[in-house]
Amino acid sequence: DAKTTQPNSMESNEEEPVHLPCNHSTISGTDYIHWYRQLPSQGPEYVIHGLTSNVNNRMASLAIAEDRKSSTLILHRATLRDAAVYYCILRPPSTSGTYKYIFGTGTRLKVLA
Amino acid sequence: GAVVSQHPSWVICKSGTSVKIECRSLDFQATTMFWYRQFPKQSLMLMATSNEGSKATYEQGVEKDKFLINHASLTLSTLTVTSAHPEDSSFYICSTRTSGSYEQYFGPGTRLTVT
Repeated sequence: DAKTTQPNSMESNEEEPVHLPCNHSTISGTDYIHWYRQLPSQGPEYVIHGLTSNVNNRMASLAIAEDRKSSTLILHRATLRDAAVYYCILRPPSTSGTYKYIFGTGTRLKVLA
Repeated sequence: GAVVSQHPSWVICKSGTSVKIECRSLDFQATTMFWYRQFPKQSLMLMATSNEGSKATYEQGVEKDKFLINHASLTLSTLTVTSAHPEDSSFYICSTRTSGSYEQYFGPGTRLTVT
């Protein structure tokens, strides 16, 4: 299974953008890049995913490097409610028949008021 | 998004007893369900994958006789921790997916404390 590497923790000021990096140098050509976040004492929730192109949704943006060996989750304006552990996960394509996620250590984001 | 529930949300049991945790998909049929375990300050560790109507597939190092998984319907999977010991105390989380979906939907988790 391809692995991901993320910084253990990051801090951001409220209302400022946050860039959360993820390295996945062993990614295969068909792996999707998924981001989830986990608030304290809760199950993870989906944030965003992509394959090759940058993606935007109401929660965040995902910037994928041209060689796909790294990606960055961008929170445009961090709020206190964004304080969570953010996980970058590689998901094989549906055609592979496997859908399991392998969680790395994630990045614990602290948002300062 | 899809809603997944877990019951109970927390449970305390005595060493040697068994505990059953339920995972339900409330508004869709879950073809596959996953069970994770998370120790404090650590990441989620996948324990097993279950498909409706078939036996669960356990990850390496997870004892299938200790963690019994039953996926009897498309909306319910159960995890039974048999003969629980204090080292089994953890946060247990299920997730589901449905055919054609690109994301997994996670339950809120069940905190198990074995005394």
